[in-house]
Amino acid sequence: SYGLTQPPSVSVSPGQTARITCSGDALPKQYAFWYQQKPGQAPVLLIYKDSQRPSGIPERFSGSSSGTTVSLTITGVQAEDEADYYCQSGDNTGTHEIWVFGGGTKLTVL
Amino acid sequence: EVQLVQSRPEVKKPGTTVKISCKVSGYTFTDHYIHWLQQAPGKGLEWVGLVDPENGETRYAEKFQGRVTITADTSIDTVYMERSSLRADDTATYYCATINAAYGSAFYYWGQGTRVTVSS
Repeated sequence: SYGLTQPPSVSVSPGQTARITCSGDALPKQYAFWYQQKPGQAPVLLIYKDSQRPSGIPERFSGSSSGTTVSLTITGVQAEDEADYYCQSGDNTGTHEIWVFGGGTKLTVL
Repeated sequence: EVQLVQSRPEVKKPGTTVKISCKVSGYTFTDHYIHWLQQAPGKGLEWVGLVDPENGETRYAEKFQGRVTITADTSIDTVYMERSSLRADDTATYYCATINAAYGSAFYYWGQGTRVTVSS
């Protein structure tokens, strides 16, 4: 199947560590990407190729991969990190590539 | 500076067609695919499809096949997405997006989004 599964919500207190998971059968074969989206704004790329951080993204954001699950970890969560987070990967239907997103996880900073 | 600038919001009646645009600047237009993504109100992101501006080839997500057409005009570095037979559940913000080759196939550059409202 081509789906990616994320928890709908994660809550954490400021300064704590938040971990958001994303599961999918294609993840052992395909890179995963993570995006942050704040209300009314376009998404921003946080992590590419499972664990790499683009220029300008704070070090508190990190990614990891294990089998069919990838994870986004935010160490030392700040109030400004409250947002929706999406994982994304690719897959192949046998005839062509497709691009797939997880359903999104709303991070609440308590 | 790479920019993707999308057209203005649209309000359409059910059964009609909408065509929205994405004007690209800051890099060679034919170098990268342009993708379209849908985000219904309060919902997540869905990949709609893409166009390869170099040759006009397109690919669409199965869910949208048959009611979406994506085209590219290389004379004005602009990509279009046309959605036909609009229904209320097509109400969404539509984003165009493309990659930064330094970061693999991730969607790095995004348009500001175009809200399409379908209502009678």
